[in-house]
Amino acid sequence: GAGVSQSPSNKVTEKGKDVELRCDPISGHTALYWYRQSLGQGLEFLIYFQGNSAPDKSGLPSDRFSAERTGGSVSTLTIQRTQQEDSAVYLCASSLGLGANNEQFFGPGTRLTVL
Amino acid sequence: AQSVAQPEDQVNVAEGNPLTVKCTYSVSGNPYLFWYVQYPNRGLQFLLKYITGDNLVKGSYGFEAEFNKSQTSFHLKKPSALVSDSALYFCAVGTTSGTYKYIFGTGTRLKVLA
Repeated sequence: GAGVSQSPSNKVTEKGKDVELRCDPISGHTALYWYRQSLGQGLEFLIYFQGNSAPDKSGLPSDRFSAERTGGSVSTLTIQRTQQEDSAVYLCASSLGLGANNEQFFGPGTRLTVL
Repeated sequence: AQSVAQPEDQVNVAEGNPLTVKCTYSVSGNPYLFWYVQYPNRGLQFLLKYITGDNLVKGSYGFEAEFNKSQTSFHLKKPSALVSDSALYFCAVGTTSGTYKYIFGTGTRLKVLA
């Protein structure tokens, strides 16, 4: 079956531009997560969704970052006025449900480069 | 607060030798522990998890991990390493208290030498 897909796979943008990153979770997975992986760093939690709601936005680095999920499926992570420090791989994951015992299935990531 | 530590940035092991990748954690409440592997240019893949029950958990590709509550550790092991095991390994913890977010370690790069 289809796994988690993300688009674009690569995005190069200029400082100050806005970008949108898309995540398509596994069908039937109600929980969706966004992470950021910087070079040489671990995974930094950004936000998670249960259905369309995001109970925990504490990981978003600044108010330039926002995310939404519509129809309990596709999610979009938006970064406004991008900065060079936003350059990273943005990973999306989904799981059957919330509950810390649910393993997450990851997409291949979007590599964002801000020039 | 939850935290996960992977004390080794890199582990080198000869092919055929046993391997251990270390992970320690700190959580309030009962821990749910995971190992994920990331191969070059690919997303993270789930290897195994500990929820409850037997302290020795078996997972994919011949890997296993041992939960040690007194030492708050969850080390990843494999009896005989393969060159194809070379990858980046992440330990993660989730808890039963409050938030559903997971905390990942910084990763350990495993290099298996032929």
